[in-house]
Amino acid sequence: KQEVTQIPAALSVPEGENLVLNCSFTDSAIYNLQWFRQDPGKGLTSLLLIQSSQREQTSGRLNASLDKSSGRSTLYIAASQPGDSATYLCAVGGTTDSWGKFQFGAGTQVVVTP
Amino acid sequence: EAQVTQNPRYLITVTGKKLTVTCSQNMNHEYMSWYRQDPGLGLRQIYYSMNVEVTDKGDVPEGYKVSRKEKRNFPLILESPSPNQTSLYFCASSLGALARFSYNEQFFGPGTRLTVL
Repeated sequence: KQEVTQIPAALSVPEGENLVLNCSFTDSAIYNLQWFRQDPGKGLTSLLLIQSSQREQTSGRLNASLDKSSGRSTLYIAASQPGDSATYLCAVGGTTDSWGKFQFGAGTQVVVTP
Repeated sequence: EAQVTQNPRYLITVTGKKLTVTCSQNMNHEYMSWYRQDPGLGLRQIYYSMNVEVTDKGDVPEGYKVSRKEKRNFPLILESPSPNQTSLYFCASSLGALARFSYNEQFFGPGTRLTVL
């Protein structure tokens, strides 16, 4: 069964510092990996989606990399701002057995202090 | 506006009283899915649907039923709710099977907070 781990569980940085969030998974036979942001009491907002054939995706200050062979993805957020404070979740999608299944990590709670 | 809607947003009920949480999407997505989110356990998939009349179990299907009679709707049914089903529930959708080897970004609804007494 696919296991998804996010380290660290919590992170606090001063404004302006770069953020590095990690996601690891045990079964490398995935179709895609998606990063989300969740604000307290709110739903999930999609940040980036990386297909299994891709190595990275970029959107503005966000960059996500994927290394399937080692079962790892990293989300980089450049020049962090207080508005980046949220919980960040990664989800791995699909395996050769079951395309429709998704597993989430427990998330990294980020606080960016002014 | 493209969106996934859920109703109700908040629900307090009692053990054993059947309930349905509705989910609807207006993006013509083939794939839909239900998750529950619990503190310390994260999000776990309950059921998913690849298309109309096609549903399958996720990691925690016990105590839940789903149906997919129309493309846009994917209701979650709790026939006999119990306190351990108290949770925050999310519905999600994506383009689905046709996008299997290309984009398959999931879009989430706002969540339904369910309390079973």
